[in-house]
Amino acid sequence: DTGVSQDPRHKITKRGQNVTFRCDPISEHNRLYWYRQTLGQGPEFLTYFQNEAQLEKSRLLSDRFSAERPKGSFSTLEIQRTEQGDSAMYLCASRPSPPWDRGVETQYFGPGTRLLVL
Amino acid sequence: KQEVTQIPAALSVPEGENLVLNCSFTDSAIYNLQWFRQDPGKGLTSLLLIQSSQREQTSGRLNASLDKSSGRSTLYIAASQPGDSATYLCAVNFNKFYFGSGTKLNVKP
Repeated sequence: DTGVSQDPRHKITKRGQNVTFRCDPISEHNRLYWYRQTLGQGPEFLTYFQNEAQLEKSRLLSDRFSAERPKGSFSTLEIQRTEQGDSAMYLCASRPSPPWDRGVETQYFGPGTRLLVL
Repeated sequence: KQEVTQIPAALSVPEGENLVLNCSFTDSAIYNLQWFRQDPGKGLTSLLLIQSSQREQTSGRLNASLDKSSGRSTLYIAASQPGDSATYLCAVNFNKFYFGSGTKLNVKP
């Protein structure tokens, strides 16, 4: 078990450019989540997938954001026409599908991708 | 909508002190509550998970309590050390995580 991995770990881009991040979940986990964490705040939910199906999107996920999980394995998060307000840490997490023992179930977080938009 | 609040936002203490971090949440319909540690620029490290049916959990110098009916949790750190300096995040779990803004802890040698 290598855990959740994210690539790249750091990204610096200029305003208006497009960026894409990748998340590789733990291999047997069917659910995959994206969160965004701005400086001084806790992570906020963006979206999640059950296999390749995107089941929920937060209002934080504007039209410039798109997430995919084409084969139900890795996922990508693309931000088009980046703005300085997009500067944040983007965290990916995964967990097995239901049914769970809800009392003890949790998500396993990757190390995050830190984005800086100049 | 679930809202999670953490108090204080920042805390600076001398080494060896016992301290308490507070977390409150607005909706008691949760699976469990977790405390995470986050070092600067890093990801999340899970510290303790308390099931909704439990009152507390302990791991080493850490003890977390949960009062679901009042929407409160506390993280108690005994005999703090400089290595405990980090941001501590509380998260309630109901299909997805709802995080507080964290308490930034600085333990001075």
